[in-house]
Amino acid sequence: GEDVEQSLFLSVREGDSSVINCTYTDSSSTYLYWYKQEPGAGLQLLTYIFSNMDMKQDQRLTVLLNKKDKHLSLRIADTQTGDSAIYFCAETPDNAGKSTFGDGTTLTVKP
Amino acid sequence: NAGVTQTPKFQVLKTGQSMTLQCAQDMNHEYMSWYRQDPGMGLRLIHYSVGAGITDQGEVPNGYNVSRSTTEDFPLRLLSAAPSQTSVYFCASRGQGGWEKLFFGSGTQLSVL
Repeated sequence: GEDVEQSLFLSVREGDSSVINCTYTDSSSTYLYWYKQEPGAGLQLLTYIFSNMDMKQDQRLTVLLNKKDKHLSLRIADTQTGDSAIYFCAETPDNAGKSTFGDGTTLTVKP
Repeated sequence: NAGVTQTPKFQVLKTGQSMTLQCAQDMNHEYMSWYRQDPGMGLRLIHYSVGAGITDQGEVPNGYNVSRSTTEDFPLRLLSAAPSQTSVYFCASRGQGGWEKLFFGSGTQLSVL
């Protein structure tokens, strides 16, 4: 079945870059997402990438996809204290309906 | 547009009690789902639905029932609450295409004593 894995914790200093990594097992994954969860709130979509892309950039966010290794990463440039949150990687196979989430990476940004 | 609305926000139950968590969306989304979130375990899919009258089991369906009589509503029923069901529950919906993002409700914090 589908499985999505992430490291659980990442700590960086304000102004540094953060890189959050994710691996997935479903070779039919067509859509890959990064969601952000702030304390006491639901998840909100940060960015996404289609499996026919290698990279996507959106302001301070860069998503890299290595389809061969089934590896997805999220880079946050110039990380701010407001970026402290839990980041979830998720994948959806084409038209499968259900989305599978990783366990989430807790990003702590120190001033 | 209210998005995805979940009620209640907080609930305390005694072991063996039953209750229904409500979820409604006003975006005409075909796909709706329920997740539970536990520390260190991420989001685990309980049940999901790809349209009215259609439901299917997710990763952790035991102890929960769902129904989808309308496009808008997707209630989650706990039949006989157990302490292991203490968790934060999220309802989510999206449009029919796999590329579409999930919209999440604000969550229900459930404690079973």
